[in-house]
Amino acid sequence: ETGVTQSPTHLIKTRGQQVTLRCSSQSGHNTVSWYQQALGQGPQFIFQYYREEENGRGNFPPRFSGLQFPNYSSELNVNALELDDSALYLCASSLASGSITDTQYFGPGTRLTVL
Amino acid sequence: AQKVTQAQTEISVVEKEDVTLDCVYETRDTTYYLFWYKQPPSGELVFLIRRNSFDEQNEISGRYSWNFQKSTSSFNFTITASQVVDSAVYFCALTRRTGANSKLTFGKGITLSVRP
Repeated sequence: ETGVTQSPTHLIKTRGQQVTLRCSSQSGHNTVSWYQQALGQGPQFIFQYYREEENGRGNFPPRFSGLQFPNYSSELNVNALELDDSALYLCASSLASGSITDTQYFGPGTRLTVL
Repeated sequence: AQKVTQAQTEISVVEKEDVTLDCVYETRDTTYYLFWYKQPPSGELVFLIRRNSFDEQNEISGRYSWNFQKSTSSFNFTITASQVVDSAVYFCALTRRTGANSKLTFGKGITLSVRP
């Protein structure tokens, strides 16, 4: 096990609603990255947080937003849900030291279904 | 831009067969990391290996081995004497080695089925 936890495990929402997903990073890690994995596809990078600031963003609209807290845990918020937002959302934690990147370790994911 | 191509989509083998999963990558960076992750049906991505672009030495870990060739931009993964527990989706991924944004770029994955 990686020590990265995510909640909830599963979630069902309707179109137009808002959702918050949570991630607790591995002890000692200071960076959290979020990925969206549609069925049958590879994970797609949403954004990354380092020391409570957004540190890079993929090709996702502004209705995808996030936070990182002082204990390095993180939230992913999605507003105005669309059917295409149905996916597995993966959180990964890593340790950034200076400018050198480190291996990202993933949590079990949250499966979001939008009806 | 970075790109990872896993041309094989599904592979089916019988237990104890050897199997090689192919990965080809594109990047303009001179320093980068390559990864393999395993995704069992539970969904969690399990880290298998990280390879630094400076290190082309092949690596073996038990039944797993990796062949990194910069000349062909490939990072292939071989499972020797496959087992049913190896059944999963395998992803190859790429990230730049330095810089603020260490996002992983993944391939589409290869579904490996190992039959008893």
